[in-house]
Amino acid sequence: GAGVSQSPRYKVAKRGQDVALRCDPISGHVSLFWYQQALGQGPEFLTYFQNEAQLDKSGLPSDRFFAERPEGSVSTLKIQRTQQEDSAVYLCASSHNRVGNQPQHFGDGTRLSIL
Amino acid sequence: AQSVAQPEDQVNVAEGNPLTVKCTYSVSGNPYLFWYVQYPNRGLQFLLKYITGDNLVKGSYGFEAEFNKSQTSFHLKKPSALVSDSALYFCAVATGGGNKLTFGTGTQLKVEL
Repeated sequence: GAGVSQSPRYKVAKRGQDVALRCDPISGHVSLFWYQQALGQGPEFLTYFQNEAQLDKSGLPSDRFFAERPEGSVSTLKIQRTQQEDSAVYLCASSHNRVGNQPQHFGDGTRLSIL
Repeated sequence: AQSVAQPEDQVNVAEGNPLTVKCTYSVSGNPYLFWYVQYPNRGLQFLLKYITGDNLVKGSYGFEAEFNKSQTSFHLKKPSALVSDSALYFCAVATGGGNKLTFGTGTQLKVEL
């Protein structure tokens, strides 16, 4: 497809379970970002990849959160031992270059609900 | 640290009237400024950006924004609002490598007939 694709769109998990969220960026986009959007809030930065290198993971809230992009294309955000406060929409975005003066293109997100 | 403020949670405007959604920012260095729109259960859609140059930038769907360095503002405007413009609008800022966007809390725009 032409845009950023995220799957699943909705995920319900029990507290303590592990989850994996997938992002398929726009083909050829060098930069990939993950954001967390709580209900009624703006997105908050989690982590950033340039190709396969994770250059910034300062926004990951705990060591239960892990992201990878092994071949510089598809990325996976993994949350281990989920907790109720992890419930949010997780947005993936990609952009064409490394500089940051090009807009980030967002997927529709994965809505994660932890019971 | 960089930050963005959107002082209005909601803006109501009649269709055909001009609209303004306010945004102020705080950064060290020169900012990259962006406006995004979000419809229910969707991701963010890019509207426009200011990187450098002309302070008035034009974007998608007839939207424009004016960069004001002295007031550290980047207000979103449209001369004539449409009902279909009703959505959640986010202002965002980045600096340096511009790799991390910091978003405001969003402004819900409601355009009524």
